[in-house]
Amino acid sequence: GAGVSQSPRYKVAKRGQDVALRCDPISGHVSLFWYQQALGQGPEFLTYFQNEAQLDKSGLPSDRFFAERPEGSVSTLKIQRTQQEDSAVYLCASSTLLAGGSYNEQFFGPGTRLTVL
Amino acid sequence: GDSVTQMEGPVTLSEEAFLTINCTYTATGYPSLFWYVQYPGEGLQLLLKATKADDKGSNKGFEATYRKETTSFHLEKGSVQVSDSAVYFCALSNNAGNNRKLIWGLGTSLAVNP
Repeated sequence: GAGVSQSPRYKVAKRGQDVALRCDPISGHVSLFWYQQALGQGPEFLTYFQNEAQLDKSGLPSDRFFAERPEGSVSTLKIQRTQQEDSAVYLCASSTLLAGGSYNEQFFGPGTRLTVL
Repeated sequence: GDSVTQMEGPVTLSEEAFLTINCTYTATGYPSLFWYVQYPGEGLQLLLKATKADDKGSNKGFEATYRKETTSFHLEKGSVQVSDSAVYFCALSNNAGNNRKLIWGLGTSLAVNP
């Protein structure tokens, strides 16, 4: 079946513009994660959804960042008034959810490369 | 807080050489440990994992053993190929609660020459 898809793959924004990044997780995956990966760095956690509930948004760097998943499937990460430091690859990952201590593999999309000029 | 430290790259090897990429971690409790790989132009893929102490993860000739006593999860391969050229990320997931967010190292770039 299809993997995680993200759109657009590339986005160039002028400083101050608002952007919206879309993630389509694997069908049936309850958990959805957003990560930010700056050039030459490892990914950094931004936020986590379980179905439509945003259970953890501790990684969002400022109140300009907002994420939603209103129907528990597609998610959108919105960045308002973009700044140059927002330039990064934004990764979305999804996984199934098991009870107890089991780990479920996170499947990653190809990412959206955001460049803020 | 939880963290992952992995050796800096880039690492350049000749084909059939032995590979080690060091990874150590700091975490509360009993995290799960992972190696992800990012081939040029592709997304992150899980390479291998280990969910408890002394577990060995293996895939595509790569191995890593979860060593709780040294808080390490070093990646090894006995004979690398040109096709192994990629960026390798060590990561952990703390098993507390349902948010299995991944904490990542900085990544190690590997280039294998023919």
